[in-house]
Amino acid sequence: NAGVMQNPRHLVRRRGQEARLRCSPMKGHSHVYWYRQLPEEGLKFMVYLQKENIIDESGMPKERFSAEFPKEGPSILRIQQVVRGDSAAYFCASSPKGQARAEQYFGPGTRLTVT
Amino acid sequence: AQSVTQLDSQVPVFEEAPVELRCNYSSSVSVYLFWYVQYPNQGLQLLLKYLSGSTLVKGINGFEAEFNKSQTSFHLRKPSVHISDTAEYFCAVSTTDSWGKLQFGAGTQVVVTP
Repeated sequence: NAGVMQNPRHLVRRRGQEARLRCSPMKGHSHVYWYRQLPEEGLKFMVYLQKENIIDESGMPKERFSAEFPKEGPSILRIQQVVRGDSAAYFCASSPKGQARAEQYFGPGTRLTVT
Repeated sequence: AQSVTQLDSQVPVFEEAPVELRCNYSSSVSVYLFWYVQYPNQGLQLLLKYLSGSTLVKGINGFEAEFNKSQTSFHLRKPSVHISDTAEYFCAVSTTDSWGKLQFGAGTQVVVTP
């Protein structure tokens, strides 16, 4: 059973460009969480999605960031008009259940660098 | 609201020595507690979790943690570390009434030297 896949692993964007980060959950998992790890900081929750639904986006910046998890295909985290402060590692995690007691399985992350 | 505090940002330790990583939390509701490990340039891997029951939890790679409700702590221990334990360790909580949103501490970098 393949683990959580994220691509690309490394992404370089110039200021003002768009970044698209993809996350393929583990087989059978329909719950996806996105977290951001800024330099010298721990991970911060961004958004929680189920198939075709955003359940909680309380950690998402109000502007430029969006996320989706379509019925078919990977979950996408989209950052429009990137700025240097968006440089970070972005991790997604998947879970078979959207429950606090259920284990979340993390992907290897996408490291975004904005130049 | 809840918060997680990892009291040590970096812990140097010699190979085969014991290590303890401290984690304290605060929450107005019941929580589940987790320890994750992150090796360089990799994602997070679950070491262990406390959901209920026995306060001493055993995890992978010889790690264990003890939940202390009165002190709101969940310290991680290993009696004898290996070089391969060099990594960053994160304590995390989620409230029992939630859908799994994790709140992480700032992390503790463990550096094991021969």
